[in-house]
Amino acid sequence: DTAVSQTPKYLVTQMGNDKSIKCEQNLGHDTMYWYKQDSKKFLKIMFSYNNKELIINETVPNRFSPKSPDKAHLNLHINSLELGDSAVYFCASSQPPGLGLETQYFGPGTRLLVL
Amino acid sequence: AQSVTQLDSQVPVFEEAPVELRCNYSSSVSVYLFWYVQYPNQGLQLLLKYLSGSTLVKGINGFEAEFNKSQTSFHLRKPSVHISDTAEYFCAVSKNNQGGKLIFGQGTELSVKP
Repeated sequence: DTAVSQTPKYLVTQMGNDKSIKCEQNLGHDTMYWYKQDSKKFLKIMFSYNNKELIINETVPNRFSPKSPDKAHLNLHINSLELGDSAVYFCASSQPPGLGLETQYFGPGTRLLVL
Repeated sequence: AQSVTQLDSQVPVFEEAPVELRCNYSSSVSVYLFWYVQYPNQGLQLLLKYLSGSTLVKGINGFEAEFNKSQTSFHLRKPSVHISDTAEYFCAVSKNNQGGKLIFGQGTELSVKP
Protein backbone atom coordinates (compact mmCIF):
# COMPACT_ATOMS: atom_id res chain seq x y z
CA ASP A 1 0.00 0.00 0.00
CA THR A 2 1.58 3.23 -1.17
CA ALA A 3 0.77 6.07 1.22
CA VAL A 4 1.87 9.01 -0.95
CA SER A 5 2.40 8.35 -4.64
CA GLN A 6 3.64 10.60 -7.42
CA THR A 7 3.59 10.28 -11.19
CA PRO A 8 5.70 10.32 -13.19
CA LYS A 9 8.83 9.23 -11.36
CA TYR A 10 11.07 10.69 -14.07
CA LEU A 11 10.30 13.52 -16.46
CA VAL A 12 12.65 14.71 -19.20
CA THR A 13 11.43 17.58 -21.34
CA GLN A 14 12.50 20.54 -23.45
CA MET A 15 12.68 24.16 -22.35
CA GLY A 16 9.44 26.00 -22.95
CA ASN A 17 7.19 22.98 -22.58
CA ASP A 18 4.31 22.69 -20.10
CA LYS A 19 4.19 19.65 -17.82
CA SER A 20 2.21 18.31 -14.86
CA ILE A 21 3.15 16.15 -11.89
CA LYS A 22 0.45 14.29 -10.01
CA CYS A 23 0.30 13.38 -6.33
CA GLU A 24 -2.15 11.18 -4.47
CA GLN A 25 -2.31 10.16 -0.81
CA ASN A 26 -4.42 7.43 0.76
CA LEU A 27 -3.71 8.38 4.38
CA GLY A 28 -6.90 10.36 4.85
CA HIS A 29 -4.93 13.54 5.46
CA ASP A 30 -6.41 17.01 4.90
CA THR A 31 -3.15 18.80 4.16
CA MET A 32 -0.78 18.32 1.22
CA TYR A 33 2.48 19.98 0.24
CA TRP A 34 4.93 20.39 -2.63
CA TYR A 35 8.66 20.69 -1.93
CA LYS A 36 11.54 21.26 -4.35
CA GLN A 37 14.95 19.64 -3.85
CA ASP A 38 17.71 21.30 -5.85
CA SER A 39 20.95 19.85 -7.17
CA LYS A 40 22.64 20.49 -3.82
CA LYS A 41 19.88 18.46 -2.12
CA PHE A 42 18.43 21.54 -0.41
CA LEU A 43 14.70 21.14 0.28
CA LYS A 44 12.31 24.09 0.23
CA ILE A 45 8.57 24.24 0.49
CA MET A 46 6.66 25.56 -2.50
CA PHE A 47 2.96 25.18 -1.70
CA SER A 48 0.59 23.78 0.85
CA TYR A 49 -3.12 23.02 0.60
CA ASN A 50 -5.50 22.28 3.45
CA ASN A 51 -8.80 20.70 2.44
CA LYS A 52 -8.38 21.97 -1.14
CA GLU A 53 -7.56 25.53 0.01
CA LEU A 54 -4.16 27.11 -0.65
CA ILE A 55 -2.50 28.07 2.66
CA ILE A 56 1.20 28.40 1.76
CA ASN A 57 2.63 29.93 -1.40
CA GLU A 58 6.35 30.49 -0.98
CA THR A 59 7.50 33.03 -3.52
CA VAL A 60 7.29 30.57 -6.36
CA PRO A 61 7.17 31.89 -9.95
CA ASN A 62 3.61 32.02 -11.24
CA ARG A 63 4.60 29.51 -13.94
CA PHE A 64 3.97 26.98 -11.15
CA SER A 65 0.30 26.37 -10.44
CA PRO A 66 -0.90 23.77 -7.94
CA LYS A 67 -4.36 22.29 -8.23
CA SER A 68 -6.22 20.24 -5.66
CA PRO A 69 -9.30 18.57 -7.15
CA ASP A 70 -10.02 16.85 -3.83
CA LYS A 71 -8.34 16.29 -0.46
CA ALA A 72 -6.47 13.22 -1.67
CA HIS A 73 -4.85 14.85 -4.70
CA LEU A 74 -2.49 17.77 -5.23
CA ASN A 75 -1.13 18.25 -8.73
CA LEU A 76 1.58 20.62 -9.86
CA HIS A 77 1.45 22.20 -13.30
CA ILE A 78 4.50 24.01 -14.65
CA ASN A 79 4.28 26.32 -17.68
CA SER A 80 7.15 27.39 -19.92
CA LEU A 81 9.72 25.17 -18.29
CA GLU A 82 13.20 26.63 -17.72
CA LEU A 83 16.56 24.97 -17.19
CA GLY A 84 16.51 26.06 -13.55
CA ASP A 85 13.35 24.07 -12.92
CA SER A 86 15.39 20.89 -13.11
CA ALA A 87 15.10 19.37 -9.64
CA VAL A 88 13.39 16.66 -7.64
CA TYR A 89 9.84 17.57 -6.63
CA PHE A 90 8.39 15.92 -3.53
CA CYS A 91 4.78 15.76 -2.52
CA ALA A 92 3.89 15.27 1.17
CA SER A 93 0.78 15.03 3.28
CA SER A 94 -0.14 15.42 6.94
CA GLN A 95 -2.97 16.05 9.34
CA PRO A 96 -3.95 19.72 9.53
CA PRO A 97 -1.28 21.89 11.20
CA GLY A 98 -1.90 23.16 14.71
CA LEU A 99 -3.12 19.88 16.20
CA GLY A 100 0.32 18.52 17.08
CA LEU A 101 -0.19 15.74 14.57
CA GLU A 102 1.47 17.33 11.58
CA THR A 103 4.09 14.71 10.79
CA GLN A 104 4.57 14.90 7.05
CA TYR A 105 4.79 11.79 4.93
CA PHE A 106 6.63 12.14 1.65
CA GLY A 107 6.18 10.63 -1.76
CA PRO A 108 9.06 9.06 -3.72
CA GLY A 109 9.75 12.21 -5.72
CA THR A 110 9.58 13.21 -9.38
CA ARG A 111 12.93 13.82 -11.02
CA LEU A 112 12.49 16.60 -13.58
CA LEU A 113 15.20 17.33 -16.13
CA VAL A 114 14.74 20.28 -18.47
CA LEU A 115 16.98 20.24 -21.53
CA ALA B 1 13.00 34.03 11.14
CA GLN B 2 13.51 30.35 11.64
CA SER B 3 16.59 28.62 10.40
CA VAL B 4 18.10 25.17 10.71
CA THR B 5 21.81 24.46 10.60
CA GLN B 6 23.31 21.06 10.18
CA LEU B 7 26.87 21.55 11.20
CA ASP B 8 28.45 18.78 9.16
CA SER B 9 27.85 18.34 5.45
CA GLN B 10 29.61 14.96 5.37
CA VAL B 11 30.27 12.44 8.12
CA PRO B 12 32.40 9.42 7.24
CA VAL B 13 32.41 6.66 9.84
CA PHE B 14 33.41 3.01 10.09
CA GLU B 15 30.84 0.27 10.49
CA GLU B 16 29.82 -0.45 14.13
CA ALA B 17 31.18 2.93 15.30
CA PRO B 18 28.90 5.43 17.05
CA VAL B 19 27.76 8.52 15.17
CA GLU B 20 26.28 11.89 16.01
CA LEU B 21 24.76 14.18 13.38
CA ARG B 22 24.39 17.70 14.67
CA CYS B 23 21.44 20.04 14.19
CA ASN B 24 20.88 23.51 15.63
CA TYR B 25 17.87 25.71 15.04
CA SER B 26 16.91 29.28 15.71
CA SER B 27 13.41 30.28 16.67
CA SER B 28 11.86 32.64 19.16
CA VAL B 29 8.89 30.36 19.76
CA SER B 30 8.32 26.68 20.36
CA VAL B 31 8.95 24.40 17.43
CA TYR B 32 8.41 20.83 16.41
CA LEU B 33 11.57 18.99 15.37
CA PHE B 34 12.09 16.16 12.91
CA TRP B 35 14.82 14.00 11.42
CA TYR B 36 14.28 12.50 7.98
CA VAL B 37 16.50 10.07 6.06
CA GLN B 38 16.85 9.97 2.28
CA TYR B 39 18.41 6.88 0.73
CA PRO B 40 19.91 7.33 -2.76
CA ASN B 41 17.29 8.14 -5.39
CA GLN B 42 14.45 7.74 -2.92
CA GLY B 43 12.00 9.93 -1.02
CA LEU B 44 12.24 11.10 2.58
CA GLN B 45 11.44 8.74 5.41
CA LEU B 46 10.69 9.95 8.92
CA LEU B 47 13.27 8.74 11.45
CA LEU B 48 11.90 10.43 14.56
CA LYS B 49 10.18 13.57 15.82
CA TYR B 50 9.90 15.75 18.88
CA LEU B 51 6.55 17.42 19.46
CA SER B 52 6.46 17.65 23.26
CA GLY B 53 7.19 15.60 26.38
CA SER B 54 10.37 13.64 26.96
CA THR B 55 13.39 15.32 25.43
CA LEU B 56 14.96 11.99 24.45
CA VAL B 57 13.22 10.65 21.40
CA LYS B 58 13.73 7.17 19.99
CA GLY B 59 13.15 6.48 16.32
CA ILE B 60 13.42 3.74 13.78
CA ASN B 61 16.57 1.80 12.88
CA GLY B 62 18.14 2.35 16.31
CA PHE B 63 18.40 6.13 16.02
CA GLU B 64 17.63 8.56 18.82
CA ALA B 65 17.78 12.30 19.29
CA GLU B 66 17.80 14.66 22.23
CA PHE B 67 16.00 17.99 22.27
CA ASN B 68 18.02 20.58 24.15
CA LYS B 69 16.02 23.78 24.48
CA SER B 70 18.78 25.85 26.10
CA GLN B 71 21.23 25.00 23.34
CA THR B 72 18.52 24.95 20.62
CA SER B 73 19.86 21.64 19.39
CA PHE B 74 18.38 18.36 18.24
CA HIS B 75 21.34 16.08 17.56
CA LEU B 76 20.81 12.62 16.08
CA ARG B 77 22.74 9.64 17.44
CA LYS B 78 23.22 5.97 16.85
CA PRO B 79 25.51 3.82 19.03
CA SER B 80 26.57 1.45 16.25
CA VAL B 81 26.06 2.15 12.54
CA HIS B 82 25.64 -0.30 9.68
CA ILE B 83 26.61 -0.02 6.03
CA SER B 84 22.87 0.27 5.29
CA ASP B 85 22.73 3.55 7.24
CA THR B 86 24.61 5.27 4.42
CA ALA B 87 22.23 8.03 3.32
CA GLU B 88 21.48 11.74 3.51
CA TYR B 89 19.98 12.92 6.80
CA PHE B 90 17.84 16.04 7.13
CA CYS B 91 16.88 17.92 10.25
CA ALA B 92 13.68 19.99 9.99
CA VAL B 93 11.57 22.29 12.14
CA SER B 94 8.04 23.60 11.99
CA LYS B 95 5.94 26.02 14.02
CA ASN B 96 2.28 25.43 14.65
CA ASN B 97 1.24 28.84 13.34
CA GLN B 98 2.97 28.51 9.97
CA GLY B 99 0.62 26.13 8.23
CA GLY B 100 2.84 23.15 8.84
CA LYS B 101 5.71 24.47 6.75
CA LEU B 102 8.85 22.41 7.28
CA ILE B 103 12.15 24.26 7.19
CA PHE B 104 14.99 21.92 6.40
CA GLY B 105 18.68 21.99 7.19
CA GLN B 106 21.21 21.55 4.43
CA GLY B 107 21.53 17.81 4.99
CA THR B 108 24.34 15.61 6.28
CA GLU B 109 25.71 12.83 4.13
CA LEU B 110 26.50 9.84 6.35
CA SER B 111 28.93 7.46 4.72
CA VAL B 112 29.52 4.17 6.55
CA LYS B 113 32.64 2.30 5.52
CA PRO B 114 33.44 -1.36 6.19
